[in-house]
Amino acid sequence: NAGVTQTPKFQVLKTGQSMTLQCAQDMNHEYMSWYRQDPGMGLRLIHYSVGAGITDQGEVPNGYNVSRSTTEDFPLRLLSAAPSQTSVYFCASSEGGPLHFGNGTRLTVT
Amino acid sequence: GEDVEQSLFLSVREGDSSVINCTYTDSSSTYLYWYKQEPGAGLQLLTYIFSNMDMKQDQRLTVLLNKKDKHLSLRIADTQTGDSAIYFCAESPFSSNTGKLIFGQGTTLQVKP
Repeated sequence: NAGVTQTPKFQVLKTGQSMTLQCAQDMNHEYMSWYRQDPGMGLRLIHYSVGAGITDQGEVPNGYNVSRSTTEDFPLRLLSAAPSQTSVYFCASSEGGPLHFGNGTRLTVT
Repeated sequence: GEDVEQSLFLSVREGDSSVINCTYTDSSSTYLYWYKQEPGAGLQLLTYIFSNMDMKQDQRLTVLLNKKDKHLSLRIADTQTGDSAIYFCAESPFSSNTGKLIFGQGTTLQVKP
């Protein structure tokens, strides 16, 4: 069972570059979300989706875009990377109960 | 707004019990969760409790919920070195779960042999 798959595992960007973090789930979950994890701050919600075609902002959405064209995929786009976006990013899915997490993408912006 | 607070660090000896505490603010939370994160890995669901329960036990894990004080605890009996990890408390502060959880800062559990 693949569960929630995130790619890439690691990424280094220069300030101003753009990129897309990929997230896919094979559990047919309606709900998907993106969190970032920073030391001492727990996980903070960036964006979430309650179904294909529906997305909404979380606690820290600035500098990120999302779309949900299919149930399976929920990519996170960084429009113009900044050093403040250096973090570990987690994608999660659920069917209305506990969240299932991917293994994360460790992003460094120099 | 909603907030979840945890102490940042706990150190115990192997074989002792560990108790990790958490406080939350949203009294409408319907589910409260404990997740475990090992180094370099994602978050693994350990257990969760419904807000109408006081206690839940699952093998070495006991969750206690004091809804009046908005206090949640996770007790790990006979703590092993493999239990060393970061433990996150999280609440679902909405009437329906939609993938929106509020997480605490995480408690790093260090187990000494």
